[in-house]
Amino acid sequence: DSGVTQTPKHLITATGQRVTLRCSPRSGDLSVYWYQQSLDQGLQFLIQYYNGEERAKGNILERFSAQQFPDLHSELNLSSLELGDSALYFCASSGTGSETQYFGPGTRLLVL
Amino acid sequence: EDQVTQSPEALRLQEGESSSLNCSYTVSGLRGLFWYRQDPGKGPEFLFTLYSAGEEKEKERLKATLTKKESFLHITAPKPEDSATYLCAVQRNFGNEKLTFGTGTRLTIIP
Repeated sequence: DSGVTQTPKHLITATGQRVTLRCSPRSGDLSVYWYQQSLDQGLQFLIQYYNGEERAKGNILERFSAQQFPDLHSELNLSSLELGDSALYFCASSGTGSETQYFGPGTRLLVL
Repeated sequence: EDQVTQSPEALRLQEGESSSLNCSYTVSGLRGLFWYRQDPGKGPEFLFTLYSAGEEKEKERLKATLTKKESFLHITAPKPEDSATYLCAVQRNFGNEKLTFGTGTRLTIIP
């Protein structure tokens, strides 16, 4: 158990809908990262938050957004969903001064 | 742009048959090279971080090594429970702290 929690585990929705994925980092970790894993692309970095502020952006679509709250949990919002958004979404966290990212169990999103 | 290439894509070994997985990388200033293990439908589990060429780290039947261009994950006398996908990732020295991942090696250990 990495100490990173994610909810829900599974999500099934329809095209055009909006969903919110939630992540709680390890106790004391200020950085939260979001990654998308699809069958054909592997793990791709989406976005990083540090202590409530956006720190870095990767290949994140404009339809996707994220935020980190004062209690350090983070949410990833996916809107106008398309079939191609079906994937595993992982959250990871790291502590200040540590490079190692610890991953949560993921949310499996299926868009029908 | 940072790149990570892992080979082979898949590897089947008999229980007890040792082998190595390869991770070739290009990055502008390496901060760290990471190995993770991922079971189907689960999140990546951290194994090792390597920082500089010549460094080696060991954990049970696994040993990771690093050169300036590649890393190897050596598995000695594997057991069926070592079956998983092994992922390699790099993090650059300055700027974005993201991990750039390879596509992994799917390892199957046959009893």
